[in-house]
Amino acid sequence: AQSVAQPEDQVNVAEGNPLTVKCTYSVSGNPYLFWYVQYPNRGLQFLLKYITGDNLVKGSYGFEAEFNKSQTSFHLKKPSALVSDSALYFCAVRDLNYQLIWGAGTKLIIKP
Amino acid sequence: GAVVSQHPSRVICKSGTSVKIECRSLDFQATTMFWYRQFPKQSLMLMATSNEGSKATYEQGVEKDKFLINHASLTLSTLTVTSAHPEDSSFYICSASFQGASYEQYFGPGTRLTVT
Repeated sequence: AQSVAQPEDQVNVAEGNPLTVKCTYSVSGNPYLFWYVQYPNRGLQFLLKYITGDNLVKGSYGFEAEFNKSQTSFHLKKPSALVSDSALYFCAVRDLNYQLIWGAGTKLIIKP
Repeated sequence: GAVVSQHPSRVICKSGTSVKIECRSLDFQATTMFWYRQFPKQSLMLMATSNEGSKATYEQGVEKDKFLINHASLTLSTLTVTSAHPEDSSFYICSASFQGASYEQYFGPGTRLTVT
């Protein structure tokens, strides 16, 4: 069965430090992977996706993610965190029916 | 581009009444629309998938007679919560996709439903 795991419920980072939000997946075939961000009481905003090609994907707001096939991971990263990055982050993988399978979400807190 | 709107953003209704939530793709034709429900501090739960002009496909455990979905055109899908109860209170989010969109879903801003 296809699944997505975000092992951390919450990640705390000091402003200016690099951040990583972890995601691992289990899929049949080639994975199509996504990261979305959700601010309080708002819908989801697309950050980036991996379909094929370069393992390092660059997305919105300075975020990037690295696809690692051997570790079945797609961790979200940013070199220097901003307080405004504080939000809920979701990793997702597309299944064979074009639906998204979601991770549980990771709350990112950036402290000034 | 690829903007999705939802209306209303917030709605409060009395128990036993029905409420309709609209999801519109503003600048593209959405061949497929998805409806999600999100409980506080939890991930999104897919309720149903709808393709324009055909009946929605509901996920297991979602009552199709309670959550009526109509995808009447390529730019509009509606979710009607019938005979609402307090346990239906939740954050409902729609998304839309189209052919050639690299499998990406574009999300609406969500609707906060409170049933009193």
